[in-house]
Amino acid sequence: SQKIEQNSEALNIQEGKTATLTCNYTNYSPAYLQWYRQDPGRGPVFLLLIRENEKEKRKERLKVTFDTTLKQSLFHITASQPADSATYLCALDIQAGTALIFGKGTTLSVSS
Amino acid sequence: DGGITQSPKYLFRKEGQNVTLSCEQNLNHDAMYWYRQDPGQGLRLIYYSQIVNDFQKGDIAEGYSVSREKKESFPLTVTSAQKNPTAFYLCASSTPPGTGIFNEQFFGPGTRLTVL
Repeated sequence: SQKIEQNSEALNIQEGKTATLTCNYTNYSPAYLQWYRQDPGRGPVFLLLIRENEKEKRKERLKVTFDTTLKQSLFHITASQPADSATYLCALDIQAGTALIFGKGTTLSVSS
Repeated sequence: DGGITQSPKYLFRKEGQNVTLSCEQNLNHDAMYWYRQDPGQGLRLIYYSQIVNDFQKGDIAEGYSVSREKKESFPLTVTSAQKNPTAFYLCASSTPPGTGIFNEQFFGPGTRLTVL
């Protein structure tokens, strides 16, 4: 069955460091992968989408890589700030015409 | 402002009662979704609809029902058959997946349902 895993439930880093979150999947070849941010008690907010033919995508301090051979995506936040503290979810499509599958998320805490 | 709204924010239900959660969007999106989120869990898909008057079951549809009579609205009913309904419910919308122009999902603020 399709499986999507995010490397850890929680990640704690110091302000200014780079946070790296991992998303691994099995048994499928998604056309694209997305990353969302979720704050406590709120709905997720879209951050970035990367397609299977793209190796890397950037948006301000965010960078996403997508390795379809390793079946892995890495999500980086450079120069992290306490305001970056949140849960980050990865999601991928399992089949054209159906909905996304979400990972359980990694909760990032950035301390000053 | 374009967006997606859910109501109510908090909902309390007695065992054995059906309740309906509202979801409205003015983004002109064809596709709409309902997810359930439990503590420490990811989003699990309940139902989704790609077009008016059509919807499909997700991974955990048992005990839930939906309707899609209008493009803007996708209400979710939690029936008494749902054995453990206490959770955070999220509605989302997007352009339909698989169309080649699929973009991000836009989420509502969520409804927290508690069974007393």
